[in-house]
Amino acid sequence: QVQLVQSGAEVKKPGSSVKVSCETSGGTFSNYGISWVRQAPGQGLEWMGGIIPVFGTTDYAQKFQGRVSISADESSKTAYMELSSLRSEDTAVYYCARESGNWLDPWGQGTLVTVSS
Amino acid sequence: EIVLTQSPATLSLSPGKRATLSCRANQSVSTYLAWYQQKPGQAPRLLIYDAVIRAIGIPPRFSGSGSGTDFTLTISSLEPEDFAVYYCQQRSFRWSFGQGTKVEIK
Repeated sequence: QVQLVQSGAEVKKPGSSVKVSCETSGGTFSNYGISWVRQAPGQGLEWMGGIIPVFGTTDYAQKFQGRVSISADESSKTAYMELSSLRSEDTAVYYCARESGNWLDPWGQGTLVTVSS
Repeated sequence: EIVLTQSPATLSLSPGKRATLSCRANQSVSTYLAWYQQKPGQAPRLLIYDAVIRAIGIPPRFSGSGSGTDFTLTISSLEPEDFAVYYCQQRSFRWSFGQGTKVEIK
C-alpha cells in the first residue's frame, strides 16, 4: 500500500524559507505526479503546484509563482516543496498528495508550518 | 482559471437523512471532477473520482453525478461518521478545489 510520509512541523520567522519533504513508501514514485496543497487554519484546500518526477516538470499556481519551488529526488522517492519569503498568512498545514490520474490519492499526513516572529 | 463553487456552505441534517451537495464550475471540466471528505485533524480522503466512480473502500451510500459544469455528491443515508467537510476538485486545467460544504448534525 502506497503511503506518503511528510517531514515534521516547522516554526519559521517572517521573511525566511521552509522546505517540506514527502517520501513515498510501498509503491512506485517516478511515474506519478506529486501535488502540494495547503490549508490555512479553519480554511479550505488550496493547490500550490506539482511535479512529475520522471520528467522533472513542474507546474505552479499563479498565486505562488516565484515564491514556491517543488523538486524531487527519484533515488530516495522523495518530493520537496520550498516556500520562500514567508509571512504570517503562510501559516498552514501543507499536504503532499499523489496525482493518481485526475484525482489526488493518497495524501500525506500533513506538515504544520507556523510563521511567527 | 477554473473556479469551483460549492453549495450550500453548511448542511444541517439528522442521521439517516439524504444529503445532496452541489459543485458548479465556471467552465466545463468534462468529468475531471473528484470529491473528498475531511474530518478535523485529518488529511482529505478521496471518495469519488471522474465524477461518478467510487474510490476503493468507499461505501455505496456515496454517489457522484454530473458532467460539464454541474456536479452532485449524494449521501443516501447519513451515518454518524459522515458528518464532515466535503470538497470537490477539478483537473481540467491545473488543479483547484471548491470552498467546501460542511455537513453537520441537526
